[in-house]
Amino acid sequence: GAGVSQSPSNKVTEKGKDVELRCDPISGHTALYWYRQRLGQGLEFLIYFQGNSAPDKSGLPSDRFSAERTGESVSTLTIQRTQQEDSAVYLCASGTLGGSEQYFGPGTRLTVT
Amino acid sequence: KNQVEQSPQSLIILEGKNCTLQCNYTVSPFSNLRWYKQDTGRGPVSLTIMTFSENTKSNGRYTATLDADTKQSSLHITASQLSDSASYICVVPRMDSSYKLIFGSGTRLLVRP
Repeated sequence: GAGVSQSPSNKVTEKGKDVELRCDPISGHTALYWYRQRLGQGLEFLIYFQGNSAPDKSGLPSDRFSAERTGESVSTLTIQRTQQEDSAVYLCASGTLGGSEQYFGPGTRLTVT
Repeated sequence: KNQVEQSPQSLIILEGKNCTLQCNYTVSPFSNLRWYKQDTGRGPVSLTIMTFSENTKSNGRYTATLDADTKQSSLHITASQLSDSASYICVVPRMDSSYKLIFGSGTRLLVRP
C-alpha cells in the first residue's frame, strides 16, 4: 500500500493480558515512530527507530512497554500486563532519513477492560 | 503546562463560513511549526510546515500564519466544507530533537450544513 498501515484497528483486552500492535511503514522509510493518544489529549512520543535500532526509547512509560523493528520495515509495539490506563489510540508514523515530515497510520484503538 | 496550547478547544460553524484556530507555543529555540488535520479514526495528516522565516503559508482553503516574536500561529479556514470537520493539531519539534514533536491537544471543528 501507499501509506502507513496498522493492525489491528481495534483491540479490546482484559487487564493483565499482553497485546501486540503492528505497524507497516511506507516502503523505504528508515525512520519509524510510535505515539500514544489518550482521549482528548495530544499525541505523546513513545519511541523512535532509525533502521532497526531504537536510539530513543525515552517516551516508553514503563518497562511493560517494548518495541522492535525488523528488516527496516515492520515494527511491533508490545504492552505486557495491560492496565486500564493503557487504553488509548496507538499511532505509528514513518519518515525518510533526515526528513522532517512524518506520515501517520490510522492507529490502533486499545481498550483495556 | 503544555508547551503547545491551542484554542478554542472546540468550534462549531456553518458550512461556507470562515474560522480561525489559534496556537501558542513556548518551545525554544524554534525551528518549525506544523499544522495537522486529524479525521475521526484516522492518523494526523500534514497541512503545512512553517519555518521561523515564514509569516504566511497557504494550502488551498487553509492559510497558516506565524509570528515567531510572539510565538503564535493561526490556521484560517476559508469557505468551510462539511469535510473540514476534524481535529486540527498544532505541532512544534522539541528543542533537543528535530523528531520529537510536541503536539497540542487540538481544536475539534464541526462544520454543520
